[in-house]
Amino acid sequence: DGGITQSPKYLFRKEGQNVTLSCEQNLNHDAMYWYRQDPGQGLRLIYYSQIVNDFQKGDIAEGYSVSREKKESFPLTVTSAQKNPTAFYLCASSIAHGNYGYTFGSGTRLTVV
Amino acid sequence: SQQGEEDPQALSIQEGENATMNCSYKTSINNLQWYRQNSGRGLVHLILIRSNEREKHSGRLRVTLDTSKKSSSLLITASRAADTASYFCATDGGSQGNLIFGKGTKLSVKP
Repeated sequence: DGGITQSPKYLFRKEGQNVTLSCEQNLNHDAMYWYRQDPGQGLRLIYYSQIVNDFQKGDIAEGYSVSREKKESFPLTVTSAQKNPTAFYLCASSIAHGNYGYTFGSGTRLTVV
Repeated sequence: SQQGEEDPQALSIQEGENATMNCSYKTSINNLQWYRQNSGRGLVHLILIRSNEREKHSGRLRVTLDTSKKSSSLLITASRAADTASYFCATDGGSQGNLIFGKGTKLSVKP
């Protein structure tokens, strides 16, 4: 079955630690996205990638980094520079960047301990 | 960044009743989409309506779009307990061509 997989489902980060969230899709989609979801604030765009080896900052990119070395993979690193990383992170993909629907993964809940 | 806003923020109904959620947005759009999110899960795409369409149906879902009022509504008919979820509208009005999501309507359907 085609889909988008995020791992891990739950992740705990210590202060000052970098952590990487995985996102893999087998839908042959060109575009991929990372959103952050906080209670009562909806979804906010962190980074997006229209095509392999290209990515752009979203609205809240500070403290995060991404790579897009393969079409299928778009990992997100939450660095120690992100002061309030506790949130629900959602990865999505789309056949192309623009006027298309998104397919979402099941999310990763990150908690700072 | 500009985004759509859903109304109401929360809605509680009995099974079998209809549920109506509204979305208002600020920028001109090419399309508007509705998504559902069950608690602790990812979003699921429900329906996409283009700016030149006024109404679209999918099963028990009916979506309307009024571009002159920059608003859309999602109607779920004959609701079921399994419809309990948060519903988000999303527009393609992002400055970077991305979808912008509202804060969602939390629907609770009581059996």
